[in-house]
Amino acid sequence: DADVTQTPRNRITKTGKRIMLECSQTKGHDRMYWYRQDPGLGLRLIYYSFDVKDINKGEISDGYSVSRQAQAKFSLSLESAIPNQTALYFCATSDKRGPNQETQYFGPGTRLLVL
Amino acid sequence: KNQVEQSPQSLIILEGKNCTLQCNYTVSPFSNLRWYKQDTGRGPVSLTIMTFSENTKSNGRYTATLDADTKQSSLHITASQLSDSASYICVVSASSGYALNFGKGTSLLVTP
Repeated sequence: DADVTQTPRNRITKTGKRIMLECSQTKGHDRMYWYRQDPGLGLRLIYYSFDVKDINKGEISDGYSVSRQAQAKFSLSLESAIPNQTALYFCATSDKRGPNQETQYFGPGTRLLVL
Repeated sequence: KNQVEQSPQSLIILEGKNCTLQCNYTVSPFSNLRWYKQDTGRGPVSLTIMTFSENTKSNGRYTATLDADTKQSSLHITASQLSDSASYICVVSASSGYALNFGKGTSLLVTP
């Protein structure tokens, strides 16, 4: 969905390096999320933000940090990358219509390889 | 612990045939269940969303059913097309707190 963009699309880095993955959206949604996807596993939530001043940890936040620079931008940082952070990372957005109507819109993903 | 189990893990069918994917969950208290389609190299895209009171929901050739009593859902694909080849993910929400529980997905391959 072109309304949610992620950069870079692919990244190779070395153990110990700090990297940032960026997400931008033009859907005007308040809520943004970062997930990782590993082969054979379901999507797992890293962090989520319901507005610019609201940041919450997901189930696997250790080793990650986020920044919500604006309503439309939500960045994920790996402070010191390690090989088991090799995964496919997705950003998603949703509007504030309530849990029974809320649909998440996903970006195209960033494929990260940590050597 | 809230869990979402999908079966089969993978499936190969001939173009034009129908198929049914299964999702069993233990999420409680239940809020809603979604089915997403994820094409290779792309992000998931929502197909259907069902609440407790809904038994079935259709989106073109995709029909989802929900049995909240047995905590089971199915996604039926009619007259499959090559473009249906993708991973199908079942996602269940609890009504308390904020958490989406993702299944591992069923990988579907439609062959000519």
